[in-house]
Amino acid sequence: GENVEQHPSTLSVQEGDSAVIKCTYSDSASNYFPWYKQELGKRPQLIIDIRSNVGEKKDQRIAVTLNKTAKHFSLHITETQPEDSAVYFCAQSNYQLIWGAGTKLIIKP
Amino acid sequence: DVKVTQSSRYLVKRTGEKVFLECVQDMDHENMFWYRQDPGLGLRLIYFSYDVKMKEKGDIPEGYSVSREKKERFSLILESASTNQTSMYLCASSGQGFGETQYFGPGTRLLVL
Repeated sequence: GENVEQHPSTLSVQEGDSAVIKCTYSDSASNYFPWYKQELGKRPQLIIDIRSNVGEKKDQRIAVTLNKTAKHFSLHITETQPEDSAVYFCAQSNYQLIWGAGTKLIIKP
Repeated sequence: DVKVTQSSRYLVKRTGEKVFLECVQDMDHENMFWYRQDPGLGLRLIYFSYDVKMKEKGDIPEGYSVSREKKERFSLILESASTNQTSMYLCASSGQGFGETQYFGPGTRLLVL
């Protein structure tokens, strides 16, 4: 069936460095790819999304890239800060959202 | 500002009890969802509803049922709670269009003893 593989499950980076989280999917009909952030004890919230007609989208320090041929998409966070510490979920959809298992991002001071 | 609320933040129930979790949204959203969140397993969809009185099974519907009698309210029911249903339960809502953002409630942490 349709699934999304998300890697790594845990990522630890030094404050100020960049972080990259990757997701691969199986459904070639997928055309919507959101990323959600869940801070400790809080609800998941959308931080950025991309549709299949574009290859990259940026919003300040975060960006998402999409490679439809290879069926993978990635979240890039530059100049990481302590408030970036959270669990990040990728998802893909052509009708219903299919979620990745999440990546715990730890920012080391 | 979208607001999704859940009836309880924490619940402790005994095995075999009937459990009701309620979710209310104030944005007139057509779609509502119930997820279960467990460490390392991400968000797993239990049921969703795209209209009043309509429901569809998600990935893990066994042991659960739902009710949507009013557009703003979506209830998750555990007919006979079991210890393996101990988890965090998240409700979400979204508009009807493709690619609509899902807005989550604060979650209910359920412990079944």
